Amino acid sequence: DIVVTQSPDSLAVSLGERATINCKSSQSVLNSSNNKNYLAWYQQKPGQPPKLLIYWASTRESGVPNRFSGSGSGTDFTLTISSLQAEDVAVYYCQQYYSTPHTFGQGTKLEIK
Amino acid sequence: EVQLLESGGGLVQPGGSLRLSCAASRFTFRSYAMIWVRQAPGKGLECVSVIGASGGRTYYADSVKGRFTISRDDSKSTLYLQMNSLRAEDTAVYYCAKSIGGDVGYYDYWGQGTLVTVSS
Repeated sequence: DIVVTQSPDSLAVSLGERATINCKSSQSVLNSSNNKNYLAWYQQKPGQPPKLLIYWASTRESGVPNRFSGSGSGTDFTLTISSLQAEDVAVYYCQQYYSTPHTFGQGTKLEIK
Repeated sequence: EVQLLESGGGLVQPGGSLRLSCAASRFTFRSYAMIWVRQAPGKGLECVSVIGASGGRTYYADSVKGRFTISRDDSKSTLYLQMNSLRAEDTAVYYCAKSIGGDVGYYDYWGQGTLVTVSS
């Protein structure tokens, strides 16, 4: 199974500042045949289901604010929130869908400083 | 908009059984893989089981293999999870989610979840 590890476990950032969350997979999730990274990012607010933010490591889902961006390739990925808003307080998960099980990272709790 | 509505959760004793359902609407259900993901209280997300489009290949987490069975009824646009021999560690909110494709992929729509509590 591919193990997905996020860092940090929690993060406090001031409003308007940049937030960066890292995700590392135990093996590459890059499919060389289509040059796509099989990595997604989700946001989960308390009492709600996860919400898809980013797929193929860097493609923003429709309706997601452009302050959210994803980057990386192979085994190392980053979710960046360029200017933190109050509504961004949540737990963020990365997930690989390169192979089953479609493992999630342990989550990163993002709070306001 | 796509809708996924889980049902069937509740309180069950250890060793008991439950069947979860996920009623899907507003998309061509048979064309998409589906997943069950669970979240234990205060914990992260765990992929429990996946089923391909039209009942294609299935996958189970080691923690539920041999006890849980995923299935789908495309005529009813409904996904199921039969859970047998339940344990305390199966206590969680169970979400169903829709894949973006027929086999596997990321998950673009999620239900609100149904709570399963295994306790005596």
